[in-house]
Amino acid sequence: QKEVEQNSGPLSVPEGAIASLNCTYSDRGSQSFFWYRQYSGKSPELIMSIYSNGDKEDGRFTAQLNKASQYVSLLIRDSQPSDSATYLCAVTGNTGKLIFGQGTTLQVKP
Amino acid sequence: GAGVSQSPRYKVAKRGQDVALRCDPISGHVSLFWYQQALGQGPEFLTYFQNEAQLDKSGLPSDRFFAERPEGSVSTLKIQRTQQEDSAVYLCASSLGVGAGSYSNQPQHFGDGTRLSIL
Repeated sequence: QKEVEQNSGPLSVPEGAIASLNCTYSDRGSQSFFWYRQYSGKSPELIMSIYSNGDKEDGRFTAQLNKASQYVSLLIRDSQPSDSATYLCAVTGNTGKLIFGQGTTLQVKP
Repeated sequence: GAGVSQSPRYKVAKRGQDVALRCDPISGHVSLFWYQQALGQGPEFLTYFQNEAQLDKSGLPSDRFFAERPEGSVSTLKIQRTQQEDSAVYLCASSLGVGAGSYSNQPQHFGDGTRLSIL
């Protein structure tokens, strides 16, 4: 079992819809949770960080964390074609190193 | 610029050659990480520095891989006697800090990476 698991997709949504991306992790000691966006041929770009249970909203993005169920999700409201990218979920323990999932490819169709 | 800077952006080397990849972190960032990303996969941790101290090198795949950060700022990842399986994108990231208290697991910011191709 991988430490961080994501559905590789592709996840296809129409423009204006809500995209829901999910991630599960195996280490109950994980402390910090991040979502990165990566366009093809580019480096990962931090979108959201979340450290405690519940929801965290930033513009069109909402991160949700449930430590009891060991999952973290990212909602993208009013999806735009420019949101089409690979979304990487990453978790850390107290060592700081990021453990990434394989990423979910999102396609937003005009 | 104010971001993480990596050089070269692309490197092609013949099998058996040594290569050196450079990372210049964001000014003031204490922590520096190296990751390796294969095509279609998420990045995988290689090694971590806090200032000049290499605190974790558990991800280095073999003793051909060596990293240093002698003055606590710029870091170099060196790969000796390169093999074809070393072909990947090498990403450097920096953050304000790691650990408990005010530095607890600050977000990491990535450079553009070095795409290494071994022929």
